[in-house]
Amino acid sequence: SQTIHQWPATLVQPVGSPLSLECTVEGTSNPNLYWYRQAAGRGLQLLFYSVGIGQISSEVPQNLSASRPQDRQFILSSKKLLLSDSGFYLCAWSAMSNQPQHFGDGTRLSIL
Amino acid sequence: QKEVEQNSGPLSVPEGAIASLNCTYSDRGSQSFFWYRQYSGKSPELIMFIYSNGDKEDGRFTAQLNKASQYVSLLIRDSQPSDSATYLCAVYNNAGNMLTFGGGTRLMVKP
Repeated sequence: SQTIHQWPATLVQPVGSPLSLECTVEGTSNPNLYWYRQAAGRGLQLLFYSVGIGQISSEVPQNLSASRPQDRQFILSSKKLLLSDSGFYLCAWSAMSNQPQHFGDGTRLSIL
Repeated sequence: QKEVEQNSGPLSVPEGAIASLNCTYSDRGSQSFFWYRQYSGKSPELIMFIYSNGDKEDGRFTAQLNKASQYVSLLIRDSQPSDSATYLCAVYNNAGNMLTFGGGTRLMVKP
């Protein structure tokens, strides 16, 4: 069966510090991968998605970036965090674009 | 205009009752429809998906899709306190090649 791992579970970072969140999927090949952000009490905002290694589509211009160095690895990064980057970051995978997406446990990021 | 709309709630139902959650979408080209449950502080969990008009049942859950009226609903029979959560509707559109989520409806099942 397929599993998705996301870490760390919680993270507290100062403003201006860098960020690296990692997500890996097991049990499937060439998945579509997604990064979402959910602000407190709000809906899901799609940040990035990838349909293959090295292929990244950005939905929201911001100071975040994503990379997919391996088939089942998706990384979310920032060089300098802003206060507005606080939120619940979720990684998800799907077999195809129109198939259900399955979420990791998420990373709760607080910026001080 | 929001592409996928849900009443934010809270929707309060007594234990054992039927909870009815509704979702409307704006794009007639939408093809696939999903319901997720999200407990407070947790990630969304897929409950149901539906692709064709009509009803789809899975245990206590029934998804209903009406493409002509552009709405999809989720019925939860014999509601339990453990069903208390936020329910997210998500709609896939081929043209945009992405899944759009509604803001979610908070359900409270009272013992």
